[in-house]
Amino acid sequence: IAGITQAPTSQILAAGRRMTLRCTQDMRHNAMYWYRQDLGLGLRLIHYSNTAGTTGKGEVPDGYSVSRANTDDFPLTLASAVPSQTSVYFCASRDSGSYNSPLHFGNGTRLTVT
Amino acid sequence: AQTVTQSQPEMSVQEAETVTLSCTYDTSESDYYLFWYKQPPSRQMILVIRQEAYKQQNATENRFSVNFQKAAKSFSLKISDSQLGDAAMYFCAYRSGGGSQGNLIFGKGTKLSVKP
Repeated sequence: IAGITQAPTSQILAAGRRMTLRCTQDMRHNAMYWYRQDLGLGLRLIHYSNTAGTTGKGEVPDGYSVSRANTDDFPLTLASAVPSQTSVYFCASRDSGSYNSPLHFGNGTRLTVT
Repeated sequence: AQTVTQSQPEMSVQEAETVTLSCTYDTSESDYYLFWYKQPPSRQMILVIRQEAYKQQNATENRFSVNFQKAAKSFSLKISDSQLGDAAMYFCAYRSGGGSQGNLIFGKGTKLSVKP
């Protein structure tokens, strides 16, 4: 089934540890995004990538980094996790060649930083 | 910068009744797109309906329809014949037109409960 796969589904992480959230899509979408979802705040953009080899900062990029080595993969790395990074993280993609295309989302990763 | 406001943190509707969720947005752009996403307890983000700003006709998808008032910058979602499976968080979202990175700007969401 075509779509976006995120891993892990959930994770408990000690503060100060490094963590990479994985995201893979098989729809050959050019654009990919990472959002975090927090209660009462909705979804906020962390980083994005319009095409392989390029990335950009979103609304809340501090403490996070991304890479886009190829079209399919867009990992999100927390270099040194802090409790405020406890959240649900969603990866999304979009066919940027289609003017009204929506975002397609993965099922999210619930991350708890203790 | 564009913003999206959902003024109703929680709403409740009786099964088979109709409910309207409010959304307003702020933008100086003329070319943009609007979306409603549903997030059930499973955490999935499911596209409900989309609207292009240049289209005057309101979008409809089965029991879901929107009231798009461009001058008022309002984009409400109407759910007719509500079903138990409609219970979820609903997010209104905005995307700029051509030339942008294409990300969505989300409202904070409305939690919809459906009473049997």
